[in-house]
Amino acid sequence: GAVVSQHPSRVICKSGTSVKIECRSLDFQATTMFWYRQFPKQSLMLMATSNEGSKATYEQGVEKDKFLINHASLTLSTLTVTSAHPEDSSFYICSAGQGEAGNTIYFGEGSWLTVV
Amino acid sequence: QKEVEQDPGPLSVPEGAIVSLNCTYSNSAFQYFMWYRQYSRKGPELLMYTYSSGNKEDGRFTAQVDKSSKYISLFIRDSQPSDSATYLCAMSTAAGNKLTFGGGTRVLVKP
Repeated sequence: GAVVSQHPSRVICKSGTSVKIECRSLDFQATTMFWYRQFPKQSLMLMATSNEGSKATYEQGVEKDKFLINHASLTLSTLTVTSAHPEDSSFYICSAGQGEAGNTIYFGEGSWLTVV
Repeated sequence: QKEVEQDPGPLSVPEGAIVSLNCTYSNSAFQYFMWYRQYSRKGPELLMYTYSSGNKEDGRFTAQVDKSSKYISLFIRDSQPSDSATYLCAMSTAAGNKLTFGGGTRVLVKP
């Protein structure tokens, strides 16, 4: 079964509103989680590394004020897309590492965001 | 040049054939190598995980890593139509670290 859970799996929102996506590690603690974005027929693009208890590390070109990441506990990280625009419509996926030193990385089921 | 190169395909094979996938990379610091399968509109599913060079077998799947050539492979034996998906190679420099992905190869297994 899934070891990393994402919610919601699909969300539609209006332009200008904010949307929160949750990523949970099931039955294990993850001090680090990762957020990716994927456009159709393209590979995953790392957006940021979410660190429990500290600020997230964003990849170059990713707006930290637009994509707010909170890693409030060892099993939960959230991604909030603020003031969403149609160009933010995409597939967002999180991952977390399980096992010794977190070396086995599992992905969530992904969240489809459509901004209208 | 991308850090990880992967032929996008599509790769079309008849049912029962061996599917051969590979990736090349440029960063010699990569130590951990993974293969993921991704169905349309779903999150990637971990298939194989390998540390450093060598071979690893799990059921119909065999993963090979040749660090001297910076080349990794995934073989799928007795392919099934349900194996039709996009296969992504991924690698990292340290355990639990961020992954660098190949672009993915789309595979189609025809009945």
